Amino acid sequence: GAGVSQSPSNKVTEKGKDVELRCDPISGHTALYWYRQSLGQGLEFLIYFQGNSAPDKSGLPSDRFSAERTGGSVSTLTIQRTQQEDSAVYLCASSLSRSNHEQYFGPGTRLTVT
Amino acid sequence: SQQGEEDPQALSIQEGENATMNCSYKTSINNLQWYRQNSGRGLVHLILIRSNEREKHSGRLRVTLDTSKKSSSLLITASRAADTASYFCATGAGSYQLTFGKGTKLSVIP
Repeated sequence: GAGVSQSPSNKVTEKGKDVELRCDPISGHTALYWYRQSLGQGLEFLIYFQGNSAPDKSGLPSDRFSAERTGGSVSTLTIQRTQQEDSAVYLCASSLSRSNHEQYFGPGTRLTVT
Repeated sequence: SQQGEEDPQALSIQEGENATMNCSYKTSINNLQWYRQNSGRGLVHLILIRSNEREKHSGRLRVTLDTSKKSSSLLITASRAADTASYFCATGAGSYQLTFGKGTKLSVIP
C-alpha cells in the first residue's frame, strides 16, 4: 500500500515568511510524529499525535512552530516568521500504535530559509 | 538529550566485507531499533530487538543487544555498494517516543 507522503519535497522561503508542511500518514496508523534533522545530525523530535488525544508538543523549539492533525489523518506543521536556523529536513513518520512500534517515515521536506 | 550514540561516526569498507556499527545508550529501554537513511531523506526501518532478546537476524543483518552494557551492534555481512547509507539506532523506553542517535555513515566501495 501507499507509504507516508510529504509535501512539498523542497521549500525555499525568505526569512520572516510562514511555511506549511504537509504529511499524509499510512492509512490506519493512529500515531504520527514530526522530526527535524539538521545537516549531518540525528533526528530531533518535534511533536506527536495519537488518535484524538492531546498532542505531545514538548519537542517544539519555539512558539513559532505549531502542528495540527485533522480527522486523525493528515497533519500540517506550520512555522511562522521563519529564521535561517529553521533550515533543515522535516520528517514525518507514522506507526500503528503508541507502544514503540517501528515507525514508517516519509521522504521529508527540505526547508531552506534564505 | 541524545539517548543513542553510534560508533563509529563514519565507516568505509570494500564491497564484500562485513560492516559493524555500534550503539550505546544511557537509560533502560523496551526495545532498540535500527534504521537506514539514504541521501538525507526518509528513514527505513531495518530491525527491532526487544529488551529480552539478545540477538536477531534479518537477511544479511545481525543485531545484538547487551542490556547490561547498554549497547547494541548492527552487523551487515557481505556488504554491497547499495548498503551505502547512514544507519541510526533508536531506543524505545516505555512511551511512544523513539530517541535517535546521530548515526553512522557507511560507505561501501565497489
